[in-house]
Amino acid sequence: GQNIDQPTEMTATEGAIVQINCTYQTSGFNGLFWYQQHAGEAPTFLSYNVLDGLEEKGRFSSFLSRSKGYSYLLLKELQMKDSASYLCAVRVNAGNNRKLIWGLGTSLAVNP
Amino acid sequence: GAGVSQSPSNKVTEKGKDVELRCDPISGHTALYWYRQRLGQGLEFLIYFQGNSAPDKSGLPSDRFSAERTGESVSTLTIQRTQQEDSAVYLCASSLRGGLAGGSAYEQYFGPGTRLTVT
Repeated sequence: GQNIDQPTEMTATEGAIVQINCTYQTSGFNGLFWYQQHAGEAPTFLSYNVLDGLEEKGRFSSFLSRSKGYSYLLLKELQMKDSASYLCAVRVNAGNNRKLIWGLGTSLAVNP
Repeated sequence: GAGVSQSPSNKVTEKGKDVELRCDPISGHTALYWYRQRLGQGLEFLIYFQGNSAPDKSGLPSDRFSAERTGESVSTLTIQRTQQEDSAVYLCASSLRGGLAGGSAYEQYFGPGTRLTVT
């Protein structure tokens, strides 16, 4: 079957660094996405990895290891507005199409 | 430019009634997705449209759920004989492509959702 695991909740302090891990067991892997979802709002795209390594985008970075079925999202210089749920999603083959398998999300609370 | 829009933003309906939810994707996006998100839960895939291909309906939870899309434009999700367990936020997303090629063109843009409450 297809499975994505993320921690349910994390807490960090403003100005610090936090790493949110995601492990997956899927068939036909074709890319991994990270999305941010604030309470009561729709998810918004953060990053996309399809090759191994680190993708950096401002304060956010995302890492992928396909051999280990592992990714992490790294948030630096945390701000209060970073308090949100972070969703890991893996794109897999589905016949002639591709579909996203979503994790349940990690709720991050940033404290002053 | 305009993002994905959904209507209504909120819908309260009585158990047993039918409801229709609408999604207007970003112009030019060939792929359209419907998701359901219950309170405090993750995203649950419902259905996926890609151009004029047959939709992927593998996520629809029962035959009370159906969706249509005309070409690469508006989509409607219909829930017949609503049940209380159908209460959730229904999210629509579109992406530039949804086929076999790679790249961030598959980034999904989400609409604000329709909050459905079945009483």
